Amino acid sequence: QQQVKQSPQSLIVQKGGIPIINCAYENTAFDYFPWYQQFPGKGPALLIAIRPDVSEKKEGRFTISFNKSAKQFSLHIMDSQPGDSATYFCPYNQGGKLIFGQGTELSVKP
Amino acid sequence: DTEVTQTPKHLVMGMTNKKSLKCEQHMGHRAMYWYKQKAKKPPELMFVYSYEKLSINESVPSRFSPECPNSSLLNLHLHALQPEDSALYLCASSQPGTGKSPLHFGNGTRLTVT
Repeated sequence: QQQVKQSPQSLIVQKGGIPIINCAYENTAFDYFPWYQQFPGKGPALLIAIRPDVSEKKEGRFTISFNKSAKQFSLHIMDSQPGDSATYFCPYNQGGKLIFGQGTELSVKP
Repeated sequence: DTEVTQTPKHLVMGMTNKKSLKCEQHMGHRAMYWYKQKAKKPPELMFVYSYEKLSINESVPSRFSPECPNSSLLNLHLHALQPEDSALYLCASSQPGTGKSPLHFGNGTRLTVT
């Protein structure tokens, strides 16, 4: 059973746009929500993480916002750049295992 | 450059060959992982080692045999693979335990089975 559903599967924006990637979760017991970024030919890398008692966290141009009532958290990328083109994942922890969902492939056009 | 080093970067092997993938980290992490990633798909967990002991095996076929000789090294021994095993094999490390320690991934070994 998939416990986190990510959308959209793919996203194309123009440079300077604000892509938004959403993750809806099933399990209210999750207490840590990491986002990973993966460039082609590279391994995933932690981008930003949030705890559910924090409604928003910003690191540079990347912001996670958390809506507990909607059971959803979202990644916003401000002033997106072609170098942000990558696949973004919101994996969840299940019994010591980090489980990756399908991810969102983001393409930022110049 | 990542702090998790995987070798080789690329590997081509026949179905009757035996080969090994290697992973090394010097961050003092005591949990190490193998993931498999097919093109346009998410990483899939294969094995987890915690304090050098195998703690999770995600029902991986026995033609894949992991080994953790010490806290810095992780190997994946390959034997009698099938063409469908062709994929990017990713190694990762973290502090064990709470699930809040981020995973540090290497850049993987691109494996092709002919």
